[in-house]
Amino acid sequence: QVQLVESGGGGVQPGRSLRLSCAASGFTFSSFGMHWVRQAPGKGLEWVAAIWYVGSNEYYADSVKGRFTISRDTSKNTLYLQMNSLRAEDTAVYYCAKESDAFDIWGQGTMVTVSS
Amino acid sequence: DIVMTQSPLSLPVTPGEPASISCRSSQSLLYSNGFNYLDWYLQKPGQSPQLLIFLGSNRASGVPDRFSGSGSGTDFTLTISRVEADDVGVYYCMQAQQTPRTFGQGTKLEIK
Repeated sequence: QVQLVESGGGGVQPGRSLRLSCAASGFTFSSFGMHWVRQAPGKGLEWVAAIWYVGSNEYYADSVKGRFTISRDTSKNTLYLQMNSLRAEDTAVYYCAKESDAFDIWGQGTMVTVSS
Repeated sequence: DIVMTQSPLSLPVTPGEPASISCRSSQSLLYSNGFNYLDWYLQKPGQSPQLLIFLGSNRASGVPDRFSGSGSGTDFTLTISRVEADDVGVYYCMQAQQTPRTFGQGTKLEIK
């Protein structure tokens, strides 16, 4: 079945780096735009980044621009989010989502905690 | 960036009664192709968000017909014709007209 599974979350100190992965299955990964969306504890949803399926153009929220990088490996059907210079305010559950007219498939999320 | 504003933020509803949530955008979400780029999502307690309505009024696969989306331009409404206990959670609207995508603050639906 169509599925997205995130991994790579955990606890990290401010200023350090972390790479999240999102393994896709059940659909042609290279044919869809993919997004990262996060949710801070007790808060709403915040869009983080996107990568298009055509040309692999990348887009970022201002809050992460210059620190986060979204990428995809179509040979591994995997989406990535490289997070550098992490801050306390980056603490959140990070979801990957597939876009087909809308975010029709979401992963289960992976928790990132930035704390000293 | 497009600002999305939802109301109410809290919605207590008696089972069997209707419910509606409003979502307003700071810019028109009506594209030249005639589609409104407005989606609705439900996040049930402890779960990931799930798609309910896309392009303003299209129900996603498997979504009961109790759920409907309406509106155009900057004003949109999600309506549940008869609320059931399983409908509890936080409802979000999101604009897909441009990047960055932006969400409303969320509306928490609870059962009276």
